[in-house]
Amino acid sequence: GAVVSQHPSWVICKSGTSVKIECRSLDFQATTMFWYRQFPKQSLMLMATSNEGSKATYEQGVEKDKFLINHASLTLSTLTVTSAHPEDSSFYICSANPYSGHGREQYFGPGTRLTVT
Amino acid sequence: DAKTTQPPSMDCAEGRAANLPCNHSTISGNEYVYWYRQIHSQGPQYIIHGLKNNETNEMASLIITEDRKSSTLILPHATLRDTAVYYCIVRKPGANSKLTFGKGITLSVRP
Repeated sequence: GAVVSQHPSWVICKSGTSVKIECRSLDFQATTMFWYRQFPKQSLMLMATSNEGSKATYEQGVEKDKFLINHASLTLSTLTVTSAHPEDSSFYICSANPYSGHGREQYFGPGTRLTVT
Repeated sequence: DAKTTQPPSMDCAEGRAANLPCNHSTISGNEYVYWYRQIHSQGPQYIIHGLKNNETNEMASLIITEDRKSSTLILPHATLRDTAVYYCIVRKPGANSKLTFGKGITLSVRP
C-alpha cells in the first residue's frame, strides 16, 4: 500500500517556541493531505485539510494562526505549531489520498508525539 | 457525513473469527463505508471499504446489509496483533472528503 512518513516521530520543546512537523507521501503524489490531533484516550480530531498550492481549510475551533499549514508540493505538507504551550502536547497525525475520485482510501502517517514543557 | 454507532468494546479468542458490528442508519446513497484500525500509539491503518457490495481483501471481509444501514467487519482468524481500536466511518467520495472518526470499538484478542 501507499506509504506516508512523518518527521520527527517525537519532539520535546519549551513553551513559547515553534515546532514544525513534516508529512511526506513517499510513493505517490497527493493533492490533498489532512492533519489530525489525538489526545490520550480520545479519538482522532481533524484539524485541517491541506491542498497543494492553496490555503488550508481549518475545522471549526482550530486557530489557523497558531497551526500553520503549508502544502508546497505534491509530496510534502508541513504543520507548524507556533508559540507552543503545554496544552498543545498531543499526537499529531497526517494522512493523504493517493488518488482523486470515488472511494479511494486515505493513508496515514505514523504520527508525531509533541510534548511541550 | 452520516454518523456511525459501534459498541465500545468486544473480545474474541485467538484463531476465531472476530465480527465487529457498525450501525450507519443515516448513510447517504453515495457514501462509502470505511474501516480503519489503530494500534496503540500508531497512525490508523486502512483495512477495507465498500459501497453496497460485500468486499474481501487479505485482511478482512466487509458485509454491508442490503439497506446499507449497518455493516460487519470480519477478521476471519484473529491474532493477538489484531488487538486495536477499530473505526467504522462513512465518507463521501472525492479527494477532499474527510474521514470523521468516532470512538471506535476496542477489540481485545485473548490467547
